[in-house]
Amino acid sequence: QKEVEQNSGPLSVPEGAIASLNCTYSDRGSQSFFWYRQYSGKSPELIMFIYSNGDKEDGRFTAQLNKASQYVSLLIRDSQPSDSATYLCAVNLGRRTTDSWGKLQFGAGTQVVVTP
Amino acid sequence: KAGVTQTPRYLIKTRGQQVTLSCSPISGHRSVSWYQQTPGQGLQFLFEYFSETQRNKGNFPGRFSGRQFSNSRSEMNVSTLELGDSALYLCASSSGQTSYNEQFFGPGTRLTVL
Repeated sequence: QKEVEQNSGPLSVPEGAIASLNCTYSDRGSQSFFWYRQYSGKSPELIMFIYSNGDKEDGRFTAQLNKASQYVSLLIRDSQPSDSATYLCAVNLGRRTTDSWGKLQFGAGTQVVVTP
Repeated sequence: KAGVTQTPRYLIKTRGQQVTLSCSPISGHRSVSWYQQTPGQGLQFLFEYFSETQRNKGNFPGRFSGRQFSNSRSEMNVSTLELGDSALYLCASSSGQTSYNEQFFGPGTRLTVL
């Protein structure tokens, strides 16, 4: 079992619709969760982070975290063609010892294609 | 604030050579993490440096090494290059002082091994 799992896609979304991306993780002790967007040929760009159960909204993006079920999701409202990219879910264990603080475990990414 | 910078942006090497990549973090950040990204394996953690000390290391062979300087700039070295080392090498900058650090990536160095 992979430590962080995502559907690879592609996820095809009509322009203006909501894109829903899911991510599950295996380590129940994980503490912080990140969503990155990566355009083809570019480096990952941080778009959302969440630490507490529940929802966190930032503009058109909403991250949802459910630690009991070990999943985190990302909603993109009013999807635009510029949202077409690969979305990477990343997890940090954040244990009490500092040696884990700098390590993110990434899922394989979900490719999102927004169609006009 | 200036972002994370990486040099060089592109490298072409041959098998057996060695290579050194450089990363300058965001001003004030003391942690630099390095990742390798390939189409087959995705993003994989190489190691993290904080205040000139390696705090964590991923599952890569000893050919991969790094260091960090007092100004937080970091270098990564790969010796005896293999074809499979062709990848995008990314460094990420964070404060490194809590367990809830956001990491910000540089543009990456694209390494091609022939």
